[in-house]
Amino acid sequence: ETGVTQSPTHLIKTRGQQVTLRCSSQSGHNTVSWYQQALGQGPQFIFQYYREEENGRGNFPPRFSGLQFPNYSSELNVNALELDDSALYLCASSLGEKTEAFFGQGTRLTVV
Amino acid sequence: GENVEQHPSTLSVQEGDSAVIKCTYSDSASNYFPWYKQELGKGPQLIIDIRSNVGEKKDQRIAVTLNKTAKHFSLHITETQPEDSAVYFCAASRGGKLIFGQGTELSVKP
Repeated sequence: ETGVTQSPTHLIKTRGQQVTLRCSSQSGHNTVSWYQQALGQGPQFIFQYYREEENGRGNFPPRFSGLQFPNYSSELNVNALELDDSALYLCASSLGEKTEAFFGQGTRLTVV
Repeated sequence: GENVEQHPSTLSVQEGDSAVIKCTYSDSASNYFPWYKQELGKGPQLIIDIRSNVGEKKDQRIAVTLNKTAKHFSLHITETQPEDSAVYFCAASRGGKLIFGQGTELSVKP
């Protein structure tokens, strides 16, 4: 059984660019949630995908979007990057929305 | 809105002592309360959780208590070891969305 894996581990982008982050969920998990963790802060909920449909969204603008694929892997897309988007982006997978969530190691995004 | 307050922000203990971290939550409909340990450069690791129909849960040196009336929950680590040093996060959840506290940096000195 493999855990949650994210790619890439680190990324540097220029303000105004677009970025795609990827997440493979733990084997058997059908729900993926994305979180943004600024330095020294707790993770903040961006959105959740359950069976390829968005199933809840936090207080993030529409330039944050996502996808979930039939194999339950997921992508987070961020358009028009801003300096404040610099953070650790975490993916968590679970079996349904009401069970334990397990996190990947995260993608460290730096916007310059 | 939904909010989780966590205290203290930093905690330093001697090896073998106990450590206690406390959280309060605002959403009375929250029904699931996990605790995560995050080491430098890694993602959060689930260490223990509790659901709203249970008052206490223990797993070896770690225990969590929940007071639904007061909307408080706490993490207790006994016989601390240097490898317990990390940042600990509490979270409250309703319907799968986790609301995290601000974190507690625990330092266990040998």
